[in-house]
Amino acid sequence: EVQLQESGPGLVKPSQSLSLTCSVTGYSITSNYWGWIRKFPGNKMEWMGYISYSGSTSYNPSLKSRISITRDTSKNQFFLQLNSVTTEDTATYYCARGWFDWGQGVMVTVSS
Amino acid sequence: DVVLTQTPPTLSATIGQSVSISCRSSQSLLDSDGDTYLNWLLQRPGQSPQLLIYSVSNLESGVPNRFSGSGSETDFTLKISGVEAEDLGVYYCMQATHAPDTFGAGTKLELK
Repeated sequence: EVQLQESGPGLVKPSQSLSLTCSVTGYSITSNYWGWIRKFPGNKMEWMGYISYSGSTSYNPSLKSRISITRDTSKNQFFLQLNSVTTEDTATYYCARGWFDWGQGVMVTVSS
Repeated sequence: DVVLTQTPPTLSATIGQSVSISCRSSQSLLDSDGDTYLNWLLQRPGQSPQLLIYSVSNLESGVPNRFSGSGSETDFTLKISGVEAEDLGVYYCMQATHAPDTFGAGTKLELK
């Protein structure tokens, strides 16, 4: 059974970087696609980007050059970095395998 | 970006009632490979999103067959044939045909 678990700070100051880790068990991240999705207060959902089995990446253009998704295959983890955050980046962040398996999510608040 | 319009925003149902949710796309979701990448997800209270149906009408493993999906091009429907208490939550349609992947605003299913 594949399991995903997000981890990272729950509070980030404006203008700083948000960094999250997704730890995967039961499935190798060298197969399939691994993404980050966030849910804003209310119901709005946004796909942020993914890293593929080969290490290639695709990002939502709305995030422009602020986002980076990387991985460590030796630890079976992948990572999200979002730079220059504002209060509008306050959301619950999920990692997922394609659209099939999701982590429990981590709430991140951007506030001074 | 593709805009997905879900209706209704809120749905009140009794146990055993059949209900439908509509999802309309701002452009055709038929991909050049012949598939239509329109999925339905459910987020129960306090849980992460769960994939119910992928590619319009394919039931994800483990999902009860009271859920069904239909539609084509720009008009899609999720039907629940006999609502059960565990079906309560927010339903999202999402598309992965046109980059970036996008979500509908969600339909909240409540008990009447």
